[in-house]
Amino acid sequence: DGGITQSPKYLFRKEGQNVTLSCEQNLNHDAMYWYRQDPGQGLRLIYYSQIVNDFQKGDIAEGYSVSREKKESFPLTVTSAQKNPTAFYLCASRGTETTNEKLFFGSGTQLSVL
Amino acid sequence: GESVGLHLPTLSVQEGDNSIINCAYSNSASDYFIWYKQESGKGPQFIIDIRSNMDKRQGQRVTVLLNKTVKHLSLQIAATQPGDSAVYFCAEIVPHGSNYKLTFGKGTLLTVNP
Repeated sequence: DGGITQSPKYLFRKEGQNVTLSCEQNLNHDAMYWYRQDPGQGLRLIYYSQIVNDFQKGDIAEGYSVSREKKESFPLTVTSAQKNPTAFYLCASRGTETTNEKLFFGSGTQLSVL
Repeated sequence: GESVGLHLPTLSVQEGDNSIINCAYSNSASDYFIWYKQESGKGPQFIIDIRSNMDKRQGQRVTVLLNKTVKHLSLQIAATQPGDSAVYFCAEIVPHGSNYKLTFGKGTLLTVNP
């Protein structure tokens, strides 16, 4: 059953705590992305990775960090420096053979602050 | 249709009517566009895509129109059904250095009244 899996579905963070959101894909996609979505808003790009061991900042990278040690995995850490972390986080992946390849999304992680 | 701003544009239609959702993009170098549907609490799902060398593409009950002259994209849904109620996003592939990234519009909330 191919796809992209995010976990957990719901996550709570205490003040000053770092939390890590998991994203795994078995689609053999080179590129992976993290987006943040606030209520009633569009998707904003946090980080993306075109290939293993390489990643670039998106439009709102401050307070976040990522790693890409394996092709299948692209975890996102929300650090204590992110002062407004409550949002819906979406991970996505796509192939890079051509420019016209679709982005496939996970089901999202809702992060809330306790 | 979609527009720049803090609030999500909304479109309300009667069941059985046709819906038209609009999207303006800004980068003339974009050569690939995608429409996504997002239901509440879920990740976006692919609906239909179009390359910049086309001006129209049809799917099942959906049609995408592209006007590169005015940088405008539209999604037409025929015989709209209650299950079509969701937020609809357009996305464009934008060159980013030697890579590409997807940029999303703000989204339009479609409500179908029975």
